[in-house]
Amino acid sequence: GAGVSQSPRYKVAKRGQDVALRCDPISGHVSLFWYQQALGQGPEFLTYFQNEAQLDKSGLPSDRFFAERPEGSVSTLKIQRTQQEDSAVYLCASSTTRETEAFFGQGTRLTVV
Amino acid sequence: AQSVTQLDSQVPVFEEAPVELRCNYSSSVSVYLFWYVQYPNQGLQLLLKYLSGSTLVKGINGFEAEFNKSQTSFHLRKPSVHISDTAEYFCAVSDRGGSSNTGKLIFGQGTTLQVKP
Repeated sequence: GAGVSQSPRYKVAKRGQDVALRCDPISGHVSLFWYQQALGQGPEFLTYFQNEAQLDKSGLPSDRFFAERPEGSVSTLKIQRTQQEDSAVYLCASSTTRETEAFFGQGTRLTVV
Repeated sequence: AQSVTQLDSQVPVFEEAPVELRCNYSSSVSVYLFWYVQYPNQGLQLLLKYLSGSTLVKGINGFEAEFNKSQTSFHLRKPSVHISDTAEYFCAVSDRGGSSNTGKLIFGQGTTLQVKP
């Protein structure tokens, strides 16, 4: 595709429900990042993949958050037993190398009710 | 660890006036510097970046920024704004050194630019 694609664009989950957010990076991009953007805040780093290897997960807020990229392309961010504080926009970004521009998807807006 | 401070949460300005959005950073290592713009319900789009070389960086849509190492600042400027520049602007840094560097971005809180007719 022409850009980073995320789905769904919007997700409403009941508290305690599990959710899965999908990211299709730009083809050939080695690096993939997930960020969490709370309302009125800047994005905050969650995790980083280089191909299929998850090299940095220091930003994941709890063990309820899990990310994978099994074949080095599509990535899924899973949140188990969602809580209200998980409500945010989840942004995915991909790049060719660490010095080059990171291209962002439009994000998934998660609302936990 | 790095941190980014955007000194103004909101900047109102009239159309065709100049604007400066301020950004200061803190880091114990050398960094790359970025400005991103976010339009409502959209992802982030890169405006410009500083990797090395000239400290004055020109970006898209007529924006430019100047890296000042001594003041640890990277302020964004535009000489004449348009209504269409109304958006959220984020300053960000990335650790530039070492093989362990992932390229992850540390963002500021954002500055809302409101261009009035």
